[in-house]
Amino acid sequence: GAVVSQHPSWVICKSGTSVKIECRSLDFQATTMFWYRQFPKQSLMLMATSNEGSKATYEQGVEKDKFLINHASLTLSTLTVTSAHPEDSSFYICSALRGGSGTEAFFGQGTRLTVV
Amino acid sequence: AQTVTQSQPEMSVQEAETVTLSCTYDTSESDYYLFWYKQPPSRQMILVIRQEAYKQQNATENRFSVNFQKAAKSFSLKISDSQLGDAAMYFCAYRGLNNDMRFGAGTRLTVKP
Repeated sequence: GAVVSQHPSWVICKSGTSVKIECRSLDFQATTMFWYRQFPKQSLMLMATSNEGSKATYEQGVEKDKFLINHASLTLSTLTVTSAHPEDSSFYICSALRGGSGTEAFFGQGTRLTVV
Repeated sequence: AQTVTQSQPEMSVQEAETVTLSCTYDTSESDYYLFWYKQPPSRQMILVIRQEAYKQQNATENRFSVNFQKAAKSFSLKISDSQLGDAAMYFCAYRGLNNDMRFGAGTRLTVKP
């Protein structure tokens, strides 16, 4: 099956710094990627939809200036958490949609972010 | 906005027995997709089964099958001959016309040997 690689798997950063998470579709082109946040023992909450070559669409309540999303190519989307704070600590998961509507979404392995 | 509801936070099943996980959703769309995902402790999301709303026939994948009731907006997952490896969090998900996927709160399934 299709593979989506997310990097890094885990990261620890200091408060006030920024951290970038990459999501790559390794064997297919993804015009659309999604970023989710998952708190412990909770569900995946959609943060934003990333479309190649255009601005991301953010869900209500998600600060676009804090969570910068860039989808510069058909195989790479990045999420940058700017000026990170301890409350940003969470598990972040990306998924990539292969082809158009009706196809399967493939998930990365997730990134555990800890802000100290 | 579409919502997905899983009313069973936890479920337990004896190995080799059958268990059904419930899911309901709310939408005004007529065309959409429904999914069940499994999330083991590794937290990698694994697709279990998918259902296209326009198909009346319930999807089946080996030991996994769904009971899709479109009018009732219900989408339950049945796991037959449960195995120890089936233990995980199970999420019901909805994907509509704009392709974004919404997840239910999840059901933690325990399989007892």
